[in-house]
Amino acid sequence: ETGVTQTPRHLVMGMTNKKSLKCEQHLGHNAMYWYKQSAKKPLELMFVYSLEERVENNSVPSRFSPECPNSSHLFLHLHTLQPEDSALYLCASSPTTIANYGYTFGSGTRLTVV
Amino acid sequence: GIQVEQSPPDLILQEGANSTLRCNFSDSVNNLQWFHQNPWGQLINLFYIPSGTKQNGRLSATTVATERYSLLYISSSQTTDSGVYFCAGLGGSSNTGKLIFGQGTTLQVKP
Repeated sequence: ETGVTQTPRHLVMGMTNKKSLKCEQHLGHNAMYWYKQSAKKPLELMFVYSLEERVENNSVPSRFSPECPNSSHLFLHLHTLQPEDSALYLCASSPTTIANYGYTFGSGTRLTVV
Repeated sequence: GIQVEQSPPDLILQEGANSTLRCNFSDSVNNLQWFHQNPWGQLINLFYIPSGTKQNGRLSATTVATERYSLLYISSSQTTDSGVYFCAGLGGSSNTGKLIFGQGTTLQVKP
């Protein structure tokens, strides 16, 4: 257990479905992140939240909608996705956004869009 | 240009062998760290190493920040060391905690 928990571990969804990914951190960190890992590509930052406020949206399409109701929980709402959105989605947290010491990742959600 | 570059891209070792992985990073990247991604996708933080040398068991890492490179040493490799090793650093252009990742080195340790 890394202190960052993601659910579900695997998700298969159709292009017309709506689903949500959940992330919870038990580390008392103030910053939370969504990253996308596609095959043959480096991890890419999608969103950053600091103290529940979004501070970065890395040119992500609107079919991905993040939500951070409190500093321990982060969601990624998905709707009308495309097959190319199939990837491993990783949540992470860190003490603050200005220091990467203690950066901790969850186990990821492997998403397949059919 | 490429901000974080890792080599080699792939590495196959016999159990018990030693290896060195390299990470070159640009001026816009700082506070280097190394991660190991196991076959199930879990990313484990190995070292936070902005400069200097650290050791943890069979693993050690050295970063020479002035020359913009970092090395990860694996000694007496085991099959459980297999996976992808990433180096990453904090993107220096904004205080958003954004990590810039390299492409990774895929390591396979054979019994």
